[in-house]
Amino acid sequence: QMQLQQSGPGLVKPSETLSLTCAVSGDFFSRHYWSWFRQSPGKGLEWIGYISPSGSAGYNPSLESRLTISRETPNSQFSLILTSMTTADTALYFCAGDRNSYGHAKYWGQGTLVTVSS
Amino acid sequence: EIVLTQSPGTLSLSPGERATLSCRASQSVSRSELAWYQQKPGQAPRLLIYAASNRAYGIPDRFSGGGSGTEFTLTISRLEYEDFAIYYCQQFTNSPWTFGQGTKVEIK
Repeated sequence: QMQLQQSGPGLVKPSETLSLTCAVSGDFFSRHYWSWFRQSPGKGLEWIGYISPSGSAGYNPSLESRLTISRETPNSQFSLILTSMTTADTALYFCAGDRNSYGHAKYWGQGTLVTVSS
Repeated sequence: EIVLTQSPGTLSLSPGERATLSCRASQSVSRSELAWYQQKPGQAPRLLIYAASNRAYGIPDRFSGGGSGTEFTLTISRLEYEDFAIYYCQQFTNSPWTFGQGTKVEIK
């Protein structure tokens, strides 16, 4: 059973960069797809992107120009970097993963509430 | 972008009753790329059903999924108290992957 522990700031200033990390405990980190989602009252649940076992990434086109998802296999963790944050990026961010799919996710982190405000 | 429309918005039922939730897609979705989640307040979503009709590991058999093309359903055969929550469908046939707006199942 995989466990995901998220870390990162809860408050980001407009125009700054958000960096979130998800530490994974459990076997076969390198064989899983790892994803990020977010949830806000206005937009509901939103897919951000994923990174595959091969290291290739897939991003939501609406975020792609500002987004990087990467992983550190030796440390069993993966990260999200989102630049040029605006108030529209205020949301509850989740990391998630699945062994068999880049789409759905069986394992989820606890969520990080990120507020964009000066 | 594929828009998923869930209905009804809220379902008021009693424990022991049957719940039928609908997810309609604006374009055809592959059965293998349709999932259902349950979410309770303050918690992350929980994967219930993947590939339209396959229960995720540990999900009770009172949960079942069906449908194809643009019409999918989630059925809870007999509601237990722990089933009162919000349910979301999700597609990943076309990028961006999208979610429905959710159906809230509340105690009548």
